Amino acid sequence: EAQVTQNPRYLITVTGKKLTVTCSQNMNHEYMSWYRQDPGLGLRQIYYSMNVEVTDKGDVPEGYKVSRKEKRNFPLILESPSPNQTSLYFCAIKTTLAGGGYNEQFFGPGTRLTVL
Amino acid sequence: GQNIDQPTEMTATEGAIVQINCTYQTSGFNGLFWYQQHAGEAPTFLSYNVLDGLEEKGRFSSFLSRSKGYSYLLLKELQMKDSASYLCAVFNDYKLSFGAGTTVTVRA
Repeated sequence: EAQVTQNPRYLITVTGKKLTVTCSQNMNHEYMSWYRQDPGLGLRQIYYSMNVEVTDKGDVPEGYKVSRKEKRNFPLILESPSPNQTSLYFCAIKTTLAGGGYNEQFFGPGTRLTVL
Repeated sequence: GQNIDQPTEMTATEGAIVQINCTYQTSGFNGLFWYQQHAGEAPTFLSYNVLDGLEEKGRFSSFLSRSKGYSYLLLKELQMKDSASYLCAVFNDYKLSFGAGTTVTVRA
């Protein structure tokens, strides 16, 4: 069964203090993605990765960096967090449902970040 | 650009049927997903449509009309546990774009 873990689950930090949110998957999936979710705006894609060393911008990449040095990990890096990055963050993998014949995105449990 | 619209809120009675509409204008289309999300939890997959027509899965059905840029999610025999947000999402190349979500409240 596909599993996506995120750490930390909750984080309160201050403006400008670099932080990393980790995302790990256990099924060797190639595609991984980061989203942020804000009230009234829904889920918005930040970055995605097609495979190791292959990443691309989503709809809201400003202020974020990612890396994909190995298949199982896809960390989200905030070099200098600001209050407008306070949000709920989800990591996702693309997985094929058994017998489904198509891919769906399976989401991690979420990381609630507050930047003061 | 991507524009995906769905109603903000809907309320229905236990045992009833609710239809959540989604209209989209996107630069490409490789499929439309519906997700369910309970408060504070991750979205979970409900359905996927890539061809026009109705896909039925138990109490949930989803319909797609690509020419109209329109989909709906039908929830039948509503239960209290169906109270949640329902997210419409369009997949295009390798990007998934979401609507803002519809909060459904089921009342006894």
